[in-house]
Amino acid sequence: SAVISQKPSRDICQRGTSLTIQCQVDSQVTMMFWYRQQPGQSLTLIATANQGSEATYESGFVIDKFPISRPNLTFSTLTVSNMSPEDSSIYLCSVGGTHTGELFFGEGSRLTVL
Amino acid sequence: AQSVAQPEDQVNVAEGNPLTVKCTYSVSGNPYLFWYVQYPNRGLQFLLKYNTGDNLVKGSYGFEAEFNKSQTSFHLKKPSALVSDSALYFCAVRDGQTGANNLFFGTGTRLTVIP
Repeated sequence: SAVISQKPSRDICQRGTSLTIQCQVDSQVTMMFWYRQQPGQSLTLIATANQGSEATYESGFVIDKFPISRPNLTFSTLTVSNMSPEDSSIYLCSVGGTHTGELFFGEGSRLTVL
Repeated sequence: AQSVAQPEDQVNVAEGNPLTVKCTYSVSGNPYLFWYVQYPNRGLQFLLKYNTGDNLVKGSYGFEAEFNKSQTSFHLKKPSALVSDSALYFCAVRDGQTGANNLFFGTGTRLTVIP
């Protein structure tokens, strides 16, 4: 299994500002995934971040709103830009080793936008 | 396209009684199925998975799940519920045909075990 650390664990943000979430993994991984969990809802994949290439975004998510960096095999960041109250969610970083295997998740970053 | 349905938003069970949390799925290829648990203010913890082989899969904390291909179901079970099992449970699927590594999650079922 992988140990995944996310920062910040929670934050309260003002409308119109941006916040960057960091994800650190204790081992080298090819793919990292960013999910969003809106209040009372399930997890939705935002994007897949591969080291050395542009992130791949799911339908409904765009790079201008959720820019992602993946500078090396153990680290990634997700920025939530120009935040609105609708962006209040838990953002989760995850990694997985194989096509048939499970994903491992960080503790999540709970953002509240006022 | 892949999808997962968890028909019950909430399941209540008395401590010591058996519990079942339901999940049905739809995929184009072979299904890879997973159960996760989320405790309050925590991330998701992996419980168990089904890839191939035995239809009854055993996982963490005494949980097990039964894969039923004809009913396209993967229900989570535990013979004797504990109060500490109270949490949010997510079923997830990966479609073996798409080749993608990410998981598609159900809407979650909140389990409450009553002392």
